[in-house]
Amino acid sequence: TQLLEQSPQFLSIQEGENLTVYCNSSSVFSSLQWYRQEPGEGPVLLVTVVTGGEVKKLKRLTFQFGDARKDSSLHITAAQPGDTGLYLCAGGFTGTASKLTFGTGTRLQVTL
Amino acid sequence: DAGVTQSPTHLIKTRGQQVTLRCSPKSGHDTVSWYQQALGQGPQFIFQYYEEEERQRGNFPDRFSGHQFPNYSSELNVNALLLGDSALYLCASSYTGRAYEQYFGPGTRLTVT
Repeated sequence: TQLLEQSPQFLSIQEGENLTVYCNSSSVFSSLQWYRQEPGEGPVLLVTVVTGGEVKKLKRLTFQFGDARKDSSLHITAAQPGDTGLYLCAGGFTGTASKLTFGTGTRLQVTL
Repeated sequence: DAGVTQSPTHLIKTRGQQVTLRCSPKSGHDTVSWYQQALGQGPQFIFQYYEEEERQRGNFPDRFSGHQFPNYSSELNVNALLLGDSALYLCASSYTGRAYEQYFGPGTRLTVT
């Protein structure tokens, strides 16, 4: 059974600060997705990474996929209150690529 | 372009009853996956349908079953409901060529009393 660990579990920061969220597995990902989820709603896809060492940017969000494809990070620059939410990483593994395994998430709160 | 839609939004059932949840995939998508999300946890994979057949299944009992229709929409059925089945049920759709890139619907909140 593949497990995904996310850290930190909770993060409370002020507007304008930078932050990084991590996602790790003991197994090699065939692909990895980052999602953001608001309370009572479905996760919204932010990015998909499939190549080791890949870096993708989405406005103030930067996503990195580890060279060995066992870890990933999400960095937010100059956080805003609208970034508040639950950030989830989800990975597919060889042989079960589309059976996504989710981490437990990082709950981010950005205050004024 | 309509995204993934699910119905109903909320549902309250009694232990032992049966429930059917519905999902319409995003336009152009042919694969539907179902997930269960308990409070405070990440979603757990239930099963996936493609070409009207169950392609993959997670660690859920046979009480959980599904169906996919020719128009790619899908249903999730749960029999003999238990209190522990209370959760947010999420449907995700994707295109089989990139089936790992899944787009989620808003979910159905099921409460079992």
